[in-house]
This record gives sequence, structure tokens and C-alpha cells, in this order.
Amino acid sequence: GDSVTQTEGPVTVSESESLIINCTYSATSIAYPNLFWYVRYPGEGLQLLLKVITAGQKGSSRGFEATYNKETTSFHLQKASVQESDSAVYYCALGLSGGSNAKLTFGKGTKLSVKS
Amino acid sequence: AQTIHQWPVAEIKAVGSPLSLGCTIKGKSSPNLYWYWQATGGTLQQLFYSITVGQVESVVQLNLSASRPKDDQFILSTEKLLLSHSGFYLCAWSLGGGRDTQYFGPGTRLLVL
Repeated sequence: GDSVTQTEGPVTVSESESLIINCTYSATSIAYPNLFWYVRYPGEGLQLLLKVITAGQKGSSRGFEATYNKETTSFHLQKASVQESDSAVYYCALGLSGGSNAKLTFGKGTKLSVKS
Repeated sequence: AQTIHQWPVAEIKAVGSPLSLGCTIKGKSSPNLYWYWQATGGTLQQLFYSITVGQVESVVQLNLSASRPKDDQFILSTEKLLLSHSGFYLCAWSLGGGRDTQYFGPGTRLLVL
């Protein structure tokens, strides 16, 4: 079936260090799923961080980047220099077409803590 | 701008008691609506979706039901809670189906004792 595997947390990084959260997917029901990173900051709801719908393309937002790699079925999230305000839970997700249902399949989430 | 509101923010309920969680979306006409659930330590999974008033499809069977009484309202309910219903419930909307982006509400945390 369809599934997402991401870096198991919690992950702790010092401010201004680089970050990579790995995400690999298996999409058996569709050849080219949409790929998403969502983020949940403490006390807030789930927010869209970035989205890529075309294999080979890169999405970016708030200093984060992720490239849709169909060959390795990966969508790793990277940031060159993290800030304390980046502390949150990050979710990788597949967007799978179910006709009228825009179904998302999520990874378990990676909790990131950034130390000052 | 679209806003999505969920209520209550958190609930502590007894096993066997009824439950009703709500979600309203303002600023968007005829959205697709979704319920997701995440058990503690588990993965967010889609429970229901609705493309129009009065029409709800079940994706996962969890002894829960959902209804869409108005265009901007989505309700999740059960008459008898189980311990396994504990977790985090999220409502979401999208413009259409297919692979449209979904936008989420702040969520409701439920603890069943």
C-alpha cells in the first residue's frame, strides 16, 4: 500500500546548524503523487510548509527546501541554518488521487527542537 | 481569507459516553471537507471526507460517524466512546478532490478514560 517513512524523532539541533529530515515514500496506487511537508508549531494547527507536484522539482518556504526525487522516492526536508522558532513537528505527506477524495497519507511526524 | 475553526479545543470523556466534535469553515464556498485522526504515537489517518452537504464517505472504520449538515460545517460523533478513540482530531478542507492541497484546523485533543 501507500506509505511514508520519515526520520524518527525527536531531533535536537543547535541554532544556526543545518538540518535534514528524511522522507521516503511508497506510492502503489498512483505513479506521481503530490508531495507535501506540513508543520505543527507548539499550540497551533497543522500548516502547509511546502508542496511539489512535479518529479524533479524543488519546493521552498521559510528557508526550507525539498526536492521531489522519483528515482529514490524521496522528499527530504533541508534547511541550511535553523532558528529556535523552527522548533515544531514536521510531517511528510503524499497526496493521492481518490477521485473526489483528496486523500493525504502522512508519515509519523518528526519533532524538531532547536537549542539556542 | 478562509478560516477553519474546531471545537472543543480539548475534551476528557468517559468510556461509553457520547461525543460530538465540530468544524466550521468560513470564507470558502462548497469546500471538500475531511476528518483526520492521530492516536498518540501513531500516524495521522483520514477518517471521512465530504464533497457536498449531506454526503459523507467513510475511509476508515473506527466506530465513528460524520455528518455535514451545512455547507460550512462538518461534525464527527459517536454514541459510545472507546478507549481507542483517544487522540488528536483534525478537520481539513480543500477546493476540490484529486490531489488538491488540504488546509487544516487547529485540532481537538480527546482523552477517553
